Amino acid sequence: GAGVSQSPRYKVAKRGQDVALRCDPISGHVSLFWYQQALGQGPEFLTYFQNEAQLDKSGLPSDRFFAERPEGSVSTLKIQRTQQEDSAVYLCASSLVHPGQAGELFFGEGSRLTVL
Amino acid sequence: QQQVKQSPQSLIVQKGGISIINCAYENTAFDYFPWYQQFPGKGPALLIAIRPDVSEKKEGRFTISFNKSAKQFSLHIMDSQPGDSATYFCAARDDYKLSFGAGTTVTVRA
Repeated sequence: GAGVSQSPRYKVAKRGQDVALRCDPISGHVSLFWYQQALGQGPEFLTYFQNEAQLDKSGLPSDRFFAERPEGSVSTLKIQRTQQEDSAVYLCASSLVHPGQAGELFFGEGSRLTVL
Repeated sequence: QQQVKQSPQSLIVQKGGISIINCAYENTAFDYFPWYQQFPGKGPALLIAIRPDVSEKKEGRFTISFNKSAKQFSLHIMDSQPGDSATYFCAARDDYKLSFGAGTTVTVRA
């Protein structure tokens, strides 16, 4: 497809399990972002990649959260030892250029994580 | 802390009416103010955006009004249609990072 693709769309994990969420950005898009959207709230910034370089990870809530984009395209957000407060929709977004250059941000449909 | 404050949390409008959503910010480094529309189960989609050197921008039935001195901006949806029923988020960008408001759920009654 032409849009940002995320998988799985839904994930139920038991507390303490590790999860991995995948993002396929639009082909050729340089910038990639992960946002966390809690129920009834706006998205909150987690991390930013430009190509394979992770330029900002200041929004990651704890050291249990880890993101990578090894070849500058597909990205994976990994959450270790999941906790109930990790339950949220995780949104991936990509942009053709650096967003400061007026590149539009395109969001995927998100991965909804529920931690029991 | 939330850098962009959005109100109201929800609103109901009759078909053909006007929906108005307000946002306020403090960070003067913000240089780009987009509005996103989100339907249930979908990701946010860019609706309209404005830069702080412009006081108003209109695209079809959607208008952004921007007051730089008051650090406030608003979205007006004219002639609201049932298909406009969605959650709307204002946002503000500092370099590459977007800060979102908490969202407004708009319901348009036929």
